[in-house]
Amino acid sequence: AQKITQTQPGMFVQEKEAVTLDCTYDTSDPSYGLFWYKQPSSGEMIFLIYQGSYDQQNATEGRYSLNFQKARKSANLVISASQLGDSAMYFCAMREDTVTGTASKLTFGTGTRLQVML
Amino acid sequence: DTGVSQNPRHKITKRGQNVTFRCDPISEHNRLYWYRQTLGQGPEFLTYFQNEAQLEKSRLLSDRFSAERPKGSFSTLEIQRTEQGDSAMYLCASSLIGLHSGNTIYFGEGSWLTVV
Repeated sequence: AQKITQTQPGMFVQEKEAVTLDCTYDTSDPSYGLFWYKQPSSGEMIFLIYQGSYDQQNATEGRYSLNFQKARKSANLVISASQLGDSAMYFCAMREDTVTGTASKLTFGTGTRLQVML
Repeated sequence: DTGVSQNPRHKITKRGQNVTFRCDPISEHNRLYWYRQTLGQGPEFLTYFQNEAQLEKSRLLSDRFSAERPKGSFSTLEIQRTEQGDSAMYLCASSLIGLHSGNTIYFGEGSWLTVV
């Protein structure tokens, strides 16, 4: 079963506007982490933001915020004040923690291509 | 540059040849991961190490693939008898796992493999 679902293959946003990239996940583990990465055309995966399953508040990092709705199993990325340099692929990923409390591997979604327009 | 370093960045090889990729993780990171990414897809997990121990291997890692991290620092990923289906970007990542460590997993810029 697919564990990370990104339903938006592509998104367009006007410069300086805000945009929300959707991510839903599936897990039965009580402890897990959710990540967002940006991948420009150069290929490097750039870490943006992290949300732990036990975190009470939504994570924020500069212009990035994560809208974490645990009951709905969603972890949407919000980018405020979009810039031309935000044009890239964006991947949502989940890390499930083992019963021993040790973090395991990341599982990625298929990504959303964001295009910021003038 | 203190990030995750991968080389070579690009490799073109003939089918049937062997290739090896190297990854230098962030200093003192004890976890090292290998992922494979094909066009239009998200990265797929291949294997990971904690220090020098290989803790998990994906079913994607066929017998032609082998990864090592002999001294718990850099790692190599070797693909023997390459096939055209091996053409992809191979991503390395590292993290620090411990009592007071953070949760961030940092990726390198990837190594592009083209098998002709």
